[in-house]
Amino acid sequence: GNSVTQMEGPVTLSEEAFLTINCTYTATGYPSLFWYVQYPGEGLQLLLKATKADDKGSNKGFEATYRKETTSFHLEKGSVQVSDSAVYFCALSEAGNQFYFGTGTSLTVIP
Amino acid sequence: EAEVAQSPRYKITEKSQAVAFWCDPISGHATLYWYRQILGQGPELLVQFQDESVVDDSQLPKDRFSAERLKGVDSTLKIQPAELGDSAMYLCASSSRAGGYNEQFFGPGTRLTVL
Repeated sequence: GNSVTQMEGPVTLSEEAFLTINCTYTATGYPSLFWYVQYPGEGLQLLLKATKADDKGSNKGFEATYRKETTSFHLEKGSVQVSDSAVYFCALSEAGNQFYFGTGTSLTVIP
Repeated sequence: EAEVAQSPRYKITEKSQAVAFWCDPISGHATLYWYRQILGQGPELLVQFQDESVVDDSQLPKDRFSAERLKGVDSTLKIQPAELGDSAMYLCASSSRAGGYNEQFFGPGTRLTVL
């Protein structure tokens, strides 16, 4: 079946540090991959996505590359800001089917 | 900017009571989803609608949960009777059509506490 495994948190970084949040997936076909972000008290917002192998999704300085050979979609940012503090969810979906979310990784960035 | 609306934002109830949550998707979005998010976990799909039809409710505890989208626009999720384990965030999302290539837009959620 389909599933997503995320690096467990919480993660605490200093401002301007490099961020990596690991995500690996299991899928029966060829899924699309997503990163969603959830700020305190809010719903989830799409951060970036990739629909096929070797695609790179990017937004707001965040990047993730769809790696079919390692079944991974790790989230990276070169220099985090306090405003990036949130919970990050990796997710997958195969066309026409439901989304599967990881358990989320909480990020706190301290000044 | 179009948003998914949900109400109420917070609900506290006693076990065995009935609760209902409302969702208004982005205008024109045919697909609507209800998710349950337990604290510290990712969202889990409860039910998916395509227009007014249920296309997936395999994870919906049908003995106590019900969902409807009568006119294919807004939707209501009901729990009767509520149990302590139902305490969670209930998220509604919509997309222009089903499928992994289409972004799901999430509402702010309803946080349910069952005492």
